[in-house]
Amino acid sequence: NAGVTQTPKFQVLKTGQSMTLQCAQDMNHEYMSWYRQDPGMGLRLIHYSVGAGITDQGEVPNGYNVSRSTTEDFPLRLLSAAPSQTSVYFCASRQSQGIVDTQYFGPGTRLTVL
Amino acid sequence: SQQGEEDPQALSIQEGENATMNCSYKTSINNLQWYRQNSGRGLVHLILIRSNEREKHSGRLRVTLDTSKKSSSLLITASRAADTASYFCATFSGGYNKLIFGAGTRLAVHP
Repeated sequence: NAGVTQTPKFQVLKTGQSMTLQCAQDMNHEYMSWYRQDPGMGLRLIHYSVGAGITDQGEVPNGYNVSRSTTEDFPLRLLSAAPSQTSVYFCASRQSQGIVDTQYFGPGTRLTVL
Repeated sequence: SQQGEEDPQALSIQEGENATMNCSYKTSINNLQWYRQNSGRGLVHLILIRSNEREKHSGRLRVTLDTSKKSSSLLITASRAADTASYFCATFSGGYNKLIFGAGTRLAVHP
């Protein structure tokens, strides 16, 4: 299994540009989520999904859109990039079965908005 | 605001010493999870403790949970330089779908 994969690894945008961060998992997990991590801080939940066709907002959803058309993919769209969105973005999928409840994280996308 | 808050923010110890990190949270929980993050990497799940458990062990890790004080601690025994990383606690907030992380404890273990 590849686990959780994210592309791209690095991205530089200009203010106002839009882009999509890709996330895919091959573990057949229903639950997926997006976090951002600013320097020296913990992760803040942007959006999450409990299954294909179902998404909901996290702690900091403004400026981001998500959709979940398949179990495997959960892309994050930046509609009009702002310098405040400079951050490292992590995608995660969750295994929740019986006594197991574990989030598996991707390697992250480092985004800089100029 | 974040559900979990770790203490201390940073910890520096020598190899072989024990490292203790604390986490406080605000609302009632179903379980509390600890994660580790090496510099520049994604988070890795370490251990989960359920609300009806008071203590759990996994290798050199020992986690305790005190639901009356809304706090948890992570103890790493006989630390190694390879344990150098940031450690985060996480709990579910507002239902069972929003996993919220604290700001983390940065642990440095010196050879």
